Amino acid sequence: NAGVTQTPKFRVLKTGQSMTLLCAQDMNHEYMYWYRQDPGMGLRLIHYSVGEGTTAKGEVPDGYNVSRLKKQNFLLGLESAAPSQTSVYFCASSFTGLGDTGELFFGEGSRLTVL
Amino acid sequence: AQSVTQLGSHVSVSEGALVLLRCNYSSSVPPYLFWYVQYPNQGLQLLLKYTTGATLVKGINGFEAEFKKSETSFHLTKPSAHMSDAAEYFCAVGGSQGNLIFGKGTKLSVKP
Repeated sequence: NAGVTQTPKFRVLKTGQSMTLLCAQDMNHEYMYWYRQDPGMGLRLIHYSVGEGTTAKGEVPDGYNVSRLKKQNFLLGLESAAPSQTSVYFCASSFTGLGDTGELFFGEGSRLTVL
Repeated sequence: AQSVTQLGSHVSVSEGALVLLRCNYSSSVPPYLFWYVQYPNQGLQLLLKYTTGATLVKGINGFEAEFKKSETSFHLTKPSAHMSDAAEYFCAVGGSQGNLIFGKGTKLSVKP
């Protein structure tokens, strides 16, 4: 049972380039999330999805787009990368919404550097 | 709106000493509170959670936390630190949008 898998794990981009991070979960979870982690900032929610075909903005959505075409996959896209998007990105999933008792299951992270 | 404040970005203890990591929350509704741990180069994993009921919550690896409504606190403790406890710890509160709001984290170092 793989849990939550993120690809790629490392990527270096030049300013203005685009890329997509893929998150896949095999736990049949409804909810999926993308967070970014920066030193001293904790984790901040970028976008999330409450089910297949749905997406919603989180705390820091600007410069990112997402899609949830299949229940098991949640894609995070950067259309024109900026140095401020250098970060470690974490995907997470949960069976229920976290407004109740849901637990987040995290991937191992994707480290992105934008030069 | 909900928020979480973790007091101390770095905490250092000796092996065998008490671990105390502080977390205060702000929430306009009864909170769901969590502690997550992150080991180097890994994702976060759940340590323990408070939803309803008993205010003293026991988690994995000997950690526990006490929900104190009057103090709006959810501090994490472990009686005796082990070298393997060295990690970053995050307190979080369930948000109104069905997400988790994380604190900025506390890095725990354990000295031999």
